[in-house]
Amino acid sequence: EPEVTQTPSHQVTQMGQEVILRCVPISNHLYFYWYRQILGQKVEFLVSFYNNEISEKSEIFDDQFSVERPDGSNFTLKIRSTKLEDSAMYFCASIVGTGSSPLHFGNGTRLTVT
Amino acid sequence: ILNVEQSPQSLHVQEGDSTNFTCSFPSSNFYALHWYRWETAKSPEALFVMTLNGDEKKKGRISATLNTKEGYSYLYIKGSQPEDSATYLCAAPNTGFQKLVFGTGTRLLVSP
Repeated sequence: EPEVTQTPSHQVTQMGQEVILRCVPISNHLYFYWYRQILGQKVEFLVSFYNNEISEKSEIFDDQFSVERPDGSNFTLKIRSTKLEDSAMYFCASIVGTGSSPLHFGNGTRLTVT
Repeated sequence: ILNVEQSPQSLHVQEGDSTNFTCSFPSSNFYALHWYRWETAKSPEALFVMTLNGDEKKKGRISATLNTKEGYSYLYIKGSQPEDSATYLCAAPNTGFQKLVFGTGTRLLVSP
């Protein structure tokens, strides 16, 4: 069964550094998402992406964050200047596009900002 | 703001016990209710997406019911096995199928 893949599985970075988290969604899916879970808290929505543009973003997704689909397969999340509070598990997800489709999640990238 | 609540936060049962958890959500502007199972070190895996009031879905020993009028869904596990140990998440979209709002999850531990 096709799956969403994410790299790296774990990234450690220093505060103020830029990080890029990478995802390859399932090929025939149309909607792409980034979610994150800070340890001990709820899984929270960051951004949704459709037709090569952001369709919705949360208040967390400020100017430090950006998403791209540079080559039609990869879907990236960039954090320009990481803060300690960005430490979390970041999940990429995709759906086919119908209203009742479940999300297909990747295994996540654990980001640790020191 | 859509708020999704789950209870209990954690549950510890013996192998063979049947168990159930609750997910509560606002009954107004309902679109769908998702259940996911999240095992440690793996990705959350979809169990069910439910859209109709009174819906009941089943996958092996796991089943779920939906009451959209009163804003709750139950997830049942019959004859729990150690491999059922995971966090069970429910989520509802705020508009259509865009942003899913998750509950805190119910962490289930099944002891042999």
